[in-house]
Amino acid sequence: QKEVEQDPGPLSVPEGAIVSLNCTYSNSAFQYFMWYRQYSRKGPELLMYTYSSGNKEDGRFTAQVDKSSKYISLFIRDSQPSDSATYLCAMSADYKLSFGAGTTVTVRA
Amino acid sequence: DTGVSQNPRHKITKRGQNVTFRCDPISEHNRLYWYRQTLGQGPEFLTYFQNEAQLEKSRLLSDRFSAERPKGSFSTLEIQRTEQGDSAMYLCASSRRGGAKLEQFFGPGTRLTVL
Repeated sequence: QKEVEQDPGPLSVPEGAIVSLNCTYSNSAFQYFMWYRQYSRKGPELLMYTYSSGNKEDGRFTAQVDKSSKYISLFIRDSQPSDSATYLCAMSADYKLSFGAGTTVTVRA
Repeated sequence: DTGVSQNPRHKITKRGQNVTFRCDPISEHNRLYWYRQTLGQGPEFLTYFQNEAQLEKSRLLSDRFSAERPKGSFSTLEIQRTEQGDSAMYLCASSRRGGAKLEQFFGPGTRLTVL
């Protein structure tokens, strides 16, 4: 079993919809949680970084962390076609990131 | 801020050949990481430098792989006697000292194809 599980999708939504992404993990030592966006054949781009349980909002993006359930989520409001990408969750106990497999999202115009 | 840069962007080689990739981190970042990503998977950690010291190597990094970071600036990743299973995207990331030092910023990657 992988340390980080992420539904690979694909996920297709109409423009303006809310995109909901999530990951579960098994390593209770993880305390830093990140979401990256990766366009095809490009490097991952850091979207959100959180340390504690709870919510963090940045523009149209909201990250949630529930350490008691070992579950993290990313919500994208008012989704745009430019949000079409693969979204990777990542987490760490120290400096080494453990990634999910990524969820491919398509936002239809 | 010019971001993390990697060269070459693409490399096609024949099985058994040696290849070397270069990573230039963001200038004020003292930590540098290498990851490998295969199709449909998330990146997997390979190795980590703090300044010029290589502090951890994953068991994924066989004896054919070697990484260096002379003078704590750019880093190179060499793969000797390449195998078809080495075909992947090799990603470099860097993070800064202090503060939110775990925010890792990735380069565009080097895509390796071993024929």
